[in-house]
Amino acid sequence: ETGVTQTPRHLVMGMTNKKSLKCEQHLGHNAMYWYKQSAKKPLELMFVYSLEERVENNSVPSRFSPECPNSSHLFLHLHTLQPEDSALYLCASSTPGTDTQYFGPGTRLTVL
Amino acid sequence: GENVEQHPSTLSVQEGDSAVIKCTYSDSASNYFPWYKQELGKRPQLIIDIRSNVGEKKDQRIAVTLNKTAKHFSLHITETQPEDSAVYFCAASSGNTDKLIFGTGTRLQVFP
Repeated sequence: ETGVTQTPRHLVMGMTNKKSLKCEQHLGHNAMYWYKQSAKKPLELMFVYSLEERVENNSVPSRFSPECPNSSHLFLHLHTLQPEDSALYLCASSTPGTDTQYFGPGTRLTVL
Repeated sequence: GENVEQHPSTLSVQEGDSAVIKCTYSDSASNYFPWYKQELGKRPQLIIDIRSNVGEKKDQRIAVTLNKTAKHFSLHITETQPEDSAVYFCAASSGNTDKLIFGTGTRLQVFP
């Protein structure tokens, strides 16, 4: 349960705020992912990092900015968000080539 | 584009009955098919997975079957228990990338 951690677990922010979500994995993986989970929608892949390089940007608006300083840490920087960005943001990690992804507990984001 | 369809969206069963959830995928290069269980307010957790060189895999009360020709795979839960109540997601790997394409989820309710 503690292999992938995320902070904060809950975040409420105004549309003009700037905040960051943090993900940390202790599994020795070298690929990390950000997903958005909204009600009644499938998990939406936002970004993929493999060996600290961004390999996927799934048409995500520029108000979401990822950062992967090393293979254990992943950030999602948020600025000027919209109310429709309110969702559960999940981080996951894997070892490239093995496909199996392990998820963090998520950050429940509310944009007012 | 790549797509995974999942049915049904909701499923209610009596304790002790079996539950079956079905998924179809579009990418013929998919070769890895995990199933995740997400309890309310918790992270998605991998419960079973199957690779394309295998037609069936079983783990206690849970089994997954794969039909590569028809591009569909199914999750079977036997002797259901109230603690099986959760949302279940299927996924398929995306070709040779590290991506998983997720289905829309099935909310399973097991009534005592």
